[in-house]
Amino acid sequence: EAGVTQFPSHSVIEKGQTVTLRCDPISGHDNLYWYRRVMGKEIKFLLHFVKESKQDESGMPNNRFLAERTGGTYSTLKVQPAELEDSGVYFCASSHTRGYGYTFGSGTRLTVV
Amino acid sequence: SQKIEQNSEALNIQEGKTATLTCNYTNYSPAYLQWYRQDPGRGPVFLLLIRENEKEKRKERLKVTFDTTLKQSLFHITASQPADSATYLCAPSGSARQLTFGSGTQLTVLP
Repeated sequence: EAGVTQFPSHSVIEKGQTVTLRCDPISGHDNLYWYRRVMGKEIKFLLHFVKESKQDESGMPNNRFLAERTGGTYSTLKVQPAELEDSGVYFCASSHTRGYGYTFGSGTRLTVV
Repeated sequence: SQKIEQNSEALNIQEGKTATLTCNYTNYSPAYLQWYRQDPGRGPVFLLLIRENEKEKRKERLKVTFDTTLKQSLFHITASQPADSATYLCAPSGSARQLTFGSGTQLTVLP
């Protein structure tokens, strides 16, 4: 079974630009999550989708971040406009049953300069 | 506020010994606790989940305990191998919908 796929693996953008991260979860996994780790900090929750619906977006830092999940399949996370403090590694994870272990992607390392 | 502490940022042990990693949490009561392994440049990999009503869980060379009175989980790797070298993350979570991670312990198993 294919794992969770994220791309790009790395992205370097200038402050004020827009970046879109993509996540393809494991096929059949209804739950999709976004997490991020900023430098020196713990991995933090951003939001949770069940199929195409946002179940919990309490971790989204501000309205510069927009997540979508088209047709309950892949998801995108757009940052517009990007700020320096948005730099970090953004992880996507999916799961079939809530409460059990997630499968994480390898992450997208975002650097805002 | 919720706080999670994992013992020493780095732990070095000799191959063949048992590695013991500690995860302490305060100011909340998680329903379950998960342990993940993370290698450089990769995402966390799920290892074990233990529920609040379980005292201990085992999987091959791994053992996890969960003490809700002490608010602590211990993660043991027996007969450790250099391939076990990685960062180990605990995630005591009250919600099934979002994980709260500790900062991790970097384990190095020396040959």
